[in-house]
Formats: sequence, C-alpha cells, structure tokens
Amino acid sequence: SQTIHQWPATLVQPVGSPLSLECTVEGTSNPNLYWYRQAAGRGLQLLFYSVGIGQISSEVPQNLSASRPQDRQFILSSKKLLLSDSGFYLCATVPPRRTEAFFGQGTRLTVV
Amino acid sequence: QKEVEQNSGPLSVPEGAIASLNCTYSDRGSQSFFWYRQYSGKSPELIMFIYSNGDKEDGRFTAQLNKASQYVSLLIRDSQPSDSATYLCAVYSGGYQKVTFGTGTKLQVIP
Repeated sequence: SQTIHQWPATLVQPVGSPLSLECTVEGTSNPNLYWYRQAAGRGLQLLFYSVGIGQISSEVPQNLSASRPQDRQFILSSKKLLLSDSGFYLCATVPPRRTEAFFGQGTRLTVV
Repeated sequence: QKEVEQNSGPLSVPEGAIASLNCTYSDRGSQSFFWYRQYSGKSPELIMFIYSNGDKEDGRFTAQLNKASQYVSLLIRDSQPSDSATYLCAVYSGGYQKVTFGTGTKLQVIP
C-alpha cells in the first residue's frame, strides 16, 4: 500500500515570506497527486492536481503554484505568503487504476 | 452551484441511534463516490466507497447511491461517541481525474 509523506507538520511564516511544502509518495508509481487546503472549520478546497510529471492543473488562481519534478514528488510553493494562505495543507494520492484518494498527515500553516 | 453539497450540521444523535448523512453532487459524469471521516486536527480517513446504484454495507456503515437523483448518503448504525467527527463526501470525476469534496457534516454522538 502507498504511504504519503508530508513535512513539516506545522509551520509559522511571516507575511511576504516564501513557502515550499513537499509531498512524496512511496509504494506506488505514476499516481495522481493533489494539493488541498482546509481553512479553519471549512471543507477541503482543491488547489492543484497532477496526472504525471510536469503536468499541473490549477483549480484556484492565487499566489500559489505547484510542481511535479519527479513521479512521486509534488511541491507547493509561494513567492510571497498572504494572511489568507493560513490553513491545513493536505497532499493526497490516487494510485493507478484506483479512484479513492489517500492523504498525508498534513501541514498546518499559520501566516503571521 | 457547488459541485458537492453537504449540510454542515452539527448533527446530534444519541448513542446507539442511527446517524444519517447526506450529499448531493452536480457532475452527472461522476464515477466514484466516497465518505471520509476527519477528526479535529487530523487528515481525512477513507471509510466507505461506492460505485454503483444501491446500497453497500461495511460493518456499521451503509453507503447509498442514487445516480439519477445525484444523491449519496451514509448511514451509521449503533452510533458511538467515537464516531463524533466531521464526515466528508467526495466525488471522483473520471474526465478530469480530480476528487472534489463537500464541506463536511459535523456529527456529534451524545453518550
């Protein structure tokens, strides 16, 4: 079965600072990868998803970007964080020939 | 119209009762339907999935799907205090290969 690694678990960053969150997957090849954000008390908002290396689909136009430099690596970035970027960031994978998503442990980001 | 809609709750049920959670979706091309449980501060955990119209049972959980009505539900029998969590409905759209979540229903099981 697949394992999703996300780090760090918590992060406090000042407004205007850059961001890089990394997600790596073990136990499967060529998975679909997803970044979600969950604001406090809210649902999961799909930010980006990728069906292959270098293929990124954006759901929400904002100051975030994503990249997939390797098959099992998905990176979420920002050049300048906003207060509204605070939230719980979750990486998820859907293995090949499956449709259910499995989640990493998440990163709780607080922008101050 | 939101792609996946759920009542945010909270839904309060006494211990031992049946909890009924509902979800509607807008994309008729959706292929797969899921229920996730999320405890406060934790990541979502898959508890049920259903692909075909009808009912699917797994222990105390029953998922129901009606594609004509674009409706998915989750029944939890003999509810326990440990079932208190937020339940997220999710839909997989094969054309775009994306998984879309509802906003979740908070369930409280009262001892």
